[in-house]
Amino acid sequence: AQTVTQSQPEMSVQEAETVTLSCTYDTSESDYYLFWYKQPPSRQMILVIRQEAYKQQNATENRFSVNFQKAAKSFSLKISDSQLGDAAMYFCAYLNRDDKIIFGKGTRLHILP
Amino acid sequence: NAGVTQTPKFRILKIGQSMTLQCTQDMNHNYMYWYRQDPGMGLKLIYYSVGAGITDKGEVPNGYNVSRSTTEDFPLRLELAAPSQTSVYFCASSVDLSPLHFGNGTRLTVT
Repeated sequence: AQTVTQSQPEMSVQEAETVTLSCTYDTSESDYYLFWYKQPPSRQMILVIRQEAYKQQNATENRFSVNFQKAAKSFSLKISDSQLGDAAMYFCAYLNRDDKIIFGKGTRLHILP
Repeated sequence: NAGVTQTPKFRILKIGQSMTLQCTQDMNHNYMYWYRQDPGMGLKLIYYSVGAGITDKGEVPNGYNVSRSTTEDFPLRLELAAPSQTSVYFCASSVDLSPLHFGNGTRLTVT
């Protein structure tokens, strides 16, 4: 069965600095999608970035980028120039071809002014 | 160690039918949520509850209703199902802003 592991329950970063959130997953499939979601206090789940497993190039969305290591089954999220509005829970998620999505437990990110 | 349990796992509805998606958690969490995930899209919050007797709308509440009569249960009611409600529905729970515990989802098709 697929699993998603986020080993950092909480992290803190100074405003304007860079932080990397870790995510590893376990699967025997070769075709799948990976996501990072952000959940601010509003409780909405906001899709931050998405990566198709067949693409070798790492996805980037403005200040957010991923380091996708398919062989190592690692999918870390890098946030550059951290802003106070980045403070939230971040969830890593895996989606297979059957549209079954599995979430990690989340990492709470604190931004220190 | 059941966590968050959603039933059913799959359902096909005809346009205009109604149904209730069940969600129960055994962790004594005060917060519960309903999200929907459309193909290729992120999760959208439908409703949430901060405790028994209290519910609030999320970003896409139209066409849905919820109730929270107990801490454990948070059913989602669809009245007059429409094809636009075809989606995968996730229930989740948490203690305040702690990590969410998700159910396995319910795949709903409205035809």
